[in-house]
Formats: sequence, C-alpha cells, structure tokens
Amino acid sequence: DVQLVESGGGLVQPGGSLRLSCAASGFTFSTYWMTWVRQAPGKGLEWVANVKGDGSEKYYVDSVKGRFTISRDNAKNSLYLQMNSLRAGDTAVYYCARAEYYYLRFPALDYWGQGTLVTVSS
Amino acid sequence: DIQMTQSPSSLSASIGDRVTITCRASQSISTYLNWYQQKPGKAPKLLVYTASTLQSGVPSRFSGSGSGTDFTLTISSLEPEDVATYYCHQTIGALTWTFGQGTKVDI
Repeated sequence: DVQLVESGGGLVQPGGSLRLSCAASGFTFSTYWMTWVRQAPGKGLEWVANVKGDGSEKYYVDSVKGRFTISRDNAKNSLYLQMNSLRAGDTAVYYCARAEYYYLRFPALDYWGQGTLVTVSS
Repeated sequence: DIQMTQSPSSLSASIGDRVTITCRASQSISTYLNWYQQKPGKAPKLLVYTASTLQSGVPSRFSGSGSGTDFTLTISSLEPEDVATYYCHQTIGALTWTFGQGTKVDI
C-alpha cells in the first residue's frame, strides 16, 4: 500500500527555519513528481511546491520563493521541505502528496500524507 | 497565475438532495481539473480527475463535468458521509497549481 508519512513540524519563532520530511513507501518513489500542499488553520488548501522524480525540476508558489526549498532523496524514498525566514503566515498543516499523471498528461494528487503542523509564533 | 473560484462557499442540503458545486477558472484550463473531498481533521481525498473521471473506489453518486473555464461537481443523492469540504484544483499552469477556496457541504 502507498504510504506517505510527514514529520518535522513544530513551533518556531518568526525568522527561524524548519525542515519537513516525508517518508514514502509502497511505490517506486523516483518515478513520481511529489508535492507539498499546506492548509492554514480554518482555511483552504494552498499548493506550495513540486519536484520532479529525478529532482531536476522544482516549482514554487510565489509566496515561498527564495525562502523554501523542496528536495528529495530517492535512495531514502524521502521528500523534504526546507523552510527558512519563516513568517506567521506560514503557520499551517503541511501535507506531502504524490502526483499521478493520468493518461500521461493530467496530474492529480492521488495519495496524501496525514500532515504535520508548523506554527510560527514568538 | 490562474485563479480558481468556487461557488457557493457553503451550502446546506437534505439527505437525498442533488448537490451541485461550481468552479470557474480565470482562463481556459482544458480538462486539467481535479476535485477533492476533505473531512474535518483528515487529509484531502481525490474524487475526480481530468474534470470528469471518477477515481477508483469513489461512489457513483459523485460526478464531474466541464471543460475550458467552467466545471461542476455533482452529488446526485446526498448521503450523511458526504459532509465535507470540496476543493477544485487546476494543474495546467506550468507546474504552478492552484486550488479553489473550497465549498463546505452540511446536512
């Protein structure tokens, strides 16, 4: 069975850093685009970043560009999100998700982790 | 950036009612449109991809339609377990994706 398990969330002060991890199992990790999606308390979903299977392409939402870095270690079946210069507005549950390309063209997020909470506060 | 606008933001319906949620894109996205269901305290679940294809295991009372800029998610006969927030999600934008703001469905 496909499993995605996030870790690394917690309380951090404004301006601080945090690294989230997502451990993947049950599928050939290196062949899938992976995604981070976040959800602020009581709010909707926000796409954060994508990374290609081999790590060669990465895309970010404008609000995190230059502060967050998505990466992966295919040998460890792990996805990461390095978050620097954190702000109160980054407070959210962060989900990792797998992107399946249906008909080889149409991506959708078919498996999600349970999420990890990041709280940015002094 | 492509903006996704859902309506209504919330609705209340009775068991057995037909429920329709709409999603409008700020520019044409062909059928690069997915729908997710999120129950309180849980991760989202993929319901529909490519605008109208039901994900495996999703009950047939759910259906999706549309292309271009206007899309619809329909629940043909509302069940108690359908209480959730529903999100549309576009995936055409050069790998910079966006979600709609969500529609909360109550009984």
